[in-house]
Amino acid sequence: EAGVAQSPRYKIIEKRQSVAFWCNPISGHATLYWYQQILGQGPKLLIQFQNNGVVDDSQLPKDRFSAERLKGVDSTLKIQPAKLEDSAVYLCASSQSGIQGATQYFGPGTRLLVL
Amino acid sequence: GNSVTQMEGPVTLSEEAFLTINCTYTATGYPSLFWYVQYPGEGLQLLLKATKADDKGSNKGFEATYRKETTSFHLEKGSVQVSDSAVYFCALTVSYNTDKLIFGTGTRLQVFP
Repeated sequence: EAGVAQSPRYKIIEKRQSVAFWCNPISGHATLYWYQQILGQGPKLLIQFQNNGVVDDSQLPKDRFSAERLKGVDSTLKIQPAKLEDSAVYLCASSQSGIQGATQYFGPGTRLLVL
Repeated sequence: GNSVTQMEGPVTLSEEAFLTINCTYTATGYPSLFWYVQYPGEGLQLLLKATKADDKGSNKGFEATYRKETTSFHLEKGSVQVSDSAVYFCALTVSYNTDKLIFGTGTRLQVFP
């Protein structure tokens, strides 16, 4: 079974530029998550989708971050414009269900450096 | 609020030593508890989990018991190997209708031969 795929693996941009990350979850997984992991910290949830609807985006900086999950499969996370503090690893995860105790499967992450 | 506190690393051990990584939590309701591991150059992987009090999660020789009375979920292994060197994250979920993971800051384990 293929795991969660993410691209690109690395990205370097200058502040105020825009960037987009792509995620393909495990086939059949209804729930998709984007986490931000700043160096030295644990991952923090940015947004959670159930199929193509948003379940939780309470910690997404909506003035610069946006995400979509068209057709309930792939997802794209965008940052526009980027700030220095956005430098982090962006992790995508998926699970079969969005209920407590369900196992989340993580992709390899996209490492973003904003200069 | 809901949070997880882990012991700071790095934890440095010799091969075959006993490992304990402490994890305590604060949560409203009845959380599920997890340990995730991140090997060098790889993504996060679920190591083990426990969904109710007194449950013991186990995998690959690692164990952790959900202790409600002490709000703890300490990770243990009787004999570590060099291949166990990684960053270990304790995490929880609290709500029935969302499984948002709340992570600790991670503990780096270094095992030397």
